[in-house]
Amino acid sequence: GNSVTQMEGPVTLSEEAFLTINCTYTATGYPSLFWYVQYPGEGLQLLLKATKADDKGSNKGFEATYRKETTSFHLEKGSVQVSDSAVYFCALRGTNAGKSTFGDGTTLTVKP
Amino acid sequence: EAQVTQNPRYLITVTGKKLTVTCSQNMNHEYMSWYRQDPGLGLRQIYYSMNVEVTDKGDVPEGYKVSRKEKRNFPLILESPSPNQTSLYFCASSPTGGTQNEQFFGPGTRLTVL
Repeated sequence: GNSVTQMEGPVTLSEEAFLTINCTYTATGYPSLFWYVQYPGEGLQLLLKATKADDKGSNKGFEATYRKETTSFHLEKGSVQVSDSAVYFCALRGTNAGKSTFGDGTTLTVKP
Repeated sequence: EAQVTQNPRYLITVTGKKLTVTCSQNMNHEYMSWYRQDPGLGLRQIYYSMNVEVTDKGDVPEGYKVSRKEKRNFPLILESPSPNQTSLYFCASSPTGGTQNEQFFGPGTRLTVL
C-alpha cells in the first residue's frame, strides 16, 4: 500500500532560519502530494500541493517540488517566522483516491 | 462561510456507552472522510465516503461505523467505545474523490474513553 515518511521532529529554529522538512513517499501510479499545516488547537489546512512530477507547489513563502525520481516532496522556506510554529503533515492521494495517506507530522517551533 | 463542523468538540465517556460524533459540510462536497490523530502516528483514515450511500473502510475501521444518508452529513458512530479509541478525531471533505482535490478539515473532536 501507499506510505509517507516524514523526517522525525520536533524541529526548533530561530527566526529567519532556513527550513527543510523531508518527505518521501511510496505509491503506485501517479499520486498527488500535499502539505497540510495544523496550528495549535485547530484542524489541518492545506499549505500547498503538487499534482504531477516536477510541479512546484508554493504558498506563504513555503515551497515543495514533486520529485518522482527520488519519490520526494520536501518542504522548504527561506526565512521562518514565529507564526510558522505548527505541525506540518505530508500527505498523498493515490490511484485509489478515496484513500489518503499522511505522514506522522513534524512539529516546528520557531523562537524569536 | 464554507466550513466543516463537528460536534461535540470535546467528549468524555465510559467504556461501552454508544456515542455519535456528527460531521457536516456546507460546500456541497461529494467526498467525506474520518481520521484519528494519535501522538507519533500521524493521521490515520477510519472511513471515507465517495458520495451518498457509498462508504468504504480506511486503514483503521475496527470499532467504528459510518453512514452517509445525506450529502452534507457523515456521522461517526462508536457502538461500544473502548479506551484505545481515546483520540483526536477529524472529519474532512473534498469536492470529489479525485486525486488532485485538497481536503477541508473540521476543527476536531477530542474523545476520552474511561
